[in-house]
Amino acid sequence: NAGVMQNPRHLVRRRGQEARLRCSPMKGHSHVYWYRQLPEEGLKFMVYLQKENIIDESGMPKERFSAEFPKEGPSILRIQQVVRGDSAAYFCASSPPHGSEAFFGQGTRLTVV
Amino acid sequence: DAKTTQPNSMESNEEEPVHLPCNHSTISGTDYIHWYRQLPSQGPEYVIHGLTSNVNNRMASLAIAEDRKSSTLILHRATLRDAAVYYCILRDVGTYKYIFGTGTRLKVLA
Repeated sequence: NAGVMQNPRHLVRRRGQEARLRCSPMKGHSHVYWYRQLPEEGLKFMVYLQKENIIDESGMPKERFSAEFPKEGPSILRIQQVVRGDSAAYFCASSPPHGSEAFFGQGTRLTVV
Repeated sequence: DAKTTQPNSMESNEEEPVHLPCNHSTISGTDYIHWYRQLPSQGPEYVIHGLTSNVNNRMASLAIAEDRKSSTLILHRATLRDAAVYYCILRDVGTYKYIFGTGTRLKVLA
């Protein structure tokens, strides 16, 4: 059973471009979470999704950021018109429907130049 | 969300036990205590979790105070590969959300 897969591992974007980060949860996991980690800081919750539904997006910036978890395919975190302050590591985690612990991917490191 | 307090950093000698403390004085009855660790340039890794009783697994032990206002993660024999940031997190079973603090950076000395 493969773990949580995130791609790409590293992503470089110029200011104003779009960034698309993908997360494939572990098999059998229908809950996905996205976190952002700035350099030398802890992880900050962004959004929690179940298949086709956003359950909690209280940590998402109001503009430019969106997330989805379609019925088929990976979860996508989309950042439009990226700015330098978006440079960070973005981690995805997944858990089963009634599971306790979540399992994290290796993250996508976004650099905005 | 209930808050946890951990020391910023700790050091340990290789092959010796390490006790990582966590205070959570505002814990509620339905909060589970979770521990994750994050090695450099990697995602957080699940270590252990518990509710009231002490817990053991192949990675570590979790000792929970009787009043549940504090807990201690115990690594029985630290290795260089255990150098990481350790996060103590309270998670209500109904929220599914982990709130990470700043964690404890563990340095293991050879």
